[in-house]
Amino acid sequence: NAGVMQNPRHLVRRRGQEARLRCSPMKGHSHVYWYRQLPEEGLKFMVYLQKENIIDESGMPKERFSAEFPKEGPSILRIQQVVRGDSAAYFCASSRDNYEQYFGPGTRLTVT
Amino acid sequence: AQSVTQLGSHVSVSEGALVLLRCNYSSSVPPYLFWYVQYPNQGLQLLLKYTTGATLVKGINGFEAEFKKSETSFHLTKPSAHMSDAAEYFCAVSDRGTALIFGKGTTLSVSS
Repeated sequence: NAGVMQNPRHLVRRRGQEARLRCSPMKGHSHVYWYRQLPEEGLKFMVYLQKENIIDESGMPKERFSAEFPKEGPSILRIQQVVRGDSAAYFCASSRDNYEQYFGPGTRLTVT
Repeated sequence: AQSVTQLGSHVSVSEGALVLLRCNYSSSVPPYLFWYVQYPNQGLQLLLKYTTGATLVKGINGFEAEFKKSETSFHLTKPSAHMSDAAEYFCAVSDRGTALIFGKGTTLSVSS
């Protein structure tokens, strides 16, 4: 049973470009969470989705960030017009029963 | 609001010594509590969890934690450290399926 898949593992973008991060949950998991890990700040929750629905986006910056989890395909975290402060590791987690979350390997975004 | 405090950002032990990583939480409802481990440039791996029932929880790799409601603590222990235990450890709290709230993490170093 494959774990949570994230791609790409590393992503380099210039300031002003768009970043798209993908997350495929574990088989049978319908809950997806995105977290961001910044140096010295630890892991912070961004958004919680179920298929076709955003359940909680209280941790998501109001501008430039969006997330979706379509009926078919992976969950996408989209960052428009990236800035240097967006450089971080972005982790996706999935769960079957919305309490035990399994994490993917992360996408490390570098903005130059 | 829920919060997690991990006492000690760095803990150093000798191989074979007791490992004790401290975690205190704040929650207005009975929480779900978790410990995760992160190795360099990897995702988070679930070590153990407490939801209900027995307050002493055993996890993988010989780790265990005890939920103490009166002390609002969930400290992680291992009787004998191995070199392979060197990693960063995160305590987290969740309110039944909502986002995980993480502590800032404790880096464990193990010397021979």
